[in-house]
Amino acid sequence: EPEVTQTPSHQVTQMGQEVILRCVPISNHLYFYWYRQILGQKVEFLVSFYNNEISEKSEIFDDQFSVERPDGSNFTLKIRSTKLEDSAMYFCASSAQTTEAFFGQGTRLTVV
Amino acid sequence: ELKVEQNPLFLSMQEGKNYTIYCNYSTTSDRLYWYRQDPGKSLESLFVLLSNGAVKQEGRLMASLDTKARLSTLHITAAVHDLSATYFCAVALSPNDMRFGAGTRLTVKP
Repeated sequence: EPEVTQTPSHQVTQMGQEVILRCVPISNHLYFYWYRQILGQKVEFLVSFYNNEISEKSEIFDDQFSVERPDGSNFTLKIRSTKLEDSAMYFCASSAQTTEAFFGQGTRLTVV
Repeated sequence: ELKVEQNPLFLSMQEGKNYTIYCNYSTTSDRLYWYRQDPGKSLESLFVLLSNGAVKQEGRLMASLDTKARLSTLHITAAVHDLSATYFCAVALSPNDMRFGAGTRLTVKP
């Protein structure tokens, strides 16, 4: 069964460093998303991506964040100059035109 | 700004009992989703509701959507321990933009 895969599963980084979180969406999907979930809390929308560009983004997705689809399969989230409050689980998801979003297993980011 | 409100946020129920979780949202949408999340795990899709009056059932769970009232419900029938999880509703503003409620943490006790 097709699935969204994310790497790494856990990333520890020092405050101020840059991290790149990687995702491989389901192959025939057109829409890609990043969400984050601070431990035990709400699932927060960060950004969606369609047709090789950002289609929607939330107020959380400021200049510290960027997304890229560097090739036909990968979808990445870059977080520059990480802060302690960026520690969270980051989920990638993908969907077809009218289906629900399918989520990856997440990357737990810990900023120390 | 879209608001998606779930209640209750915490629900403890005994096995065999019935209960309903509510999801209210503040803007027009004809697409609503329910997800389940087990502790430390990802989000698993349960239901996709695409029109007013839509009703879907899977096992002991039944979801419905009333777009005029901007309300969706997730009804649990004869709860069992395996249903213990956090349940999220999510409202699509567009195919590109899906926003989640705060989640309902369900604990089913023997």
